[in-house]
Amino acid sequence: DVKVTQSSRYLVKRTGEKVFLECVQDMDHENMFWYRQDPGLGLRLIYFSYDVKMKEKGDIPEGYSVSREKKERFSLILESASTNQTSMYLCASSLSRGAGPNYGYTFGSGTRLTVV
Amino acid sequence: GQNIDQPTEMTATEGAIVQINCTYQTSGFNGLFWYQQHAGEAPTFLSYNVLDGLEEKGRFSSFLSRSKGYSYLLLKELQMKDSASYLCAVQNYGGSQGNLIFGKGTKLSVKP
Repeated sequence: DVKVTQSSRYLVKRTGEKVFLECVQDMDHENMFWYRQDPGLGLRLIYFSYDVKMKEKGDIPEGYSVSREKKERFSLILESASTNQTSMYLCASSLSRGAGPNYGYTFGSGTRLTVV
Repeated sequence: GQNIDQPTEMTATEGAIVQINCTYQTSGFNGLFWYQQHAGEAPTFLSYNVLDGLEEKGRFSSFLSRSKGYSYLLLKELQMKDSASYLCAVQNYGGSQGNLIFGKGTKLSVKP
């Protein structure tokens, strides 16, 4: 089975800290995604990547950056954490861009980040 | 624009049948996914439809009408463990926002 692993399940950080959220997938997927999920707002796409060293902005990239130096790893960076970034963060991967059931997403278990 | 609508919450009784609807208006369409997400956990794949009609998989079935931009997930013989959020997602691989566009999810509560 494809596995997407997020490094931390729970994190508490202080306002202004630089925060790194790590995501690793083990099935050679080309695409990786970062979402945040908040009650009533659903999944909101922050950034995604179709290939190593490539990145694309999603719907809400402000206050975030990403890094994809290796195919299996996609990192989300909060440059200066703020309380409005308290959320559940979900990483996902998919085989590549394409149509059909094999091109769905596999999600990590999520990181619940609290910024105080 | 892209728009996917689902009811926010639904409640049903154990043993009953529930239908969760999803309507979509997207710039492209290559298929529709349903995911299940238990509280605090990752979304997991339930079903995929690309042709019109009903796909049955055990207690769960999913229906698609491409001409109406409409899908539903049907859950039969509800169990307490079916309490979860259900996410509808349209596959649009030619789109600019990645492959899948997600609805906000429907939180289903199953009561005894």
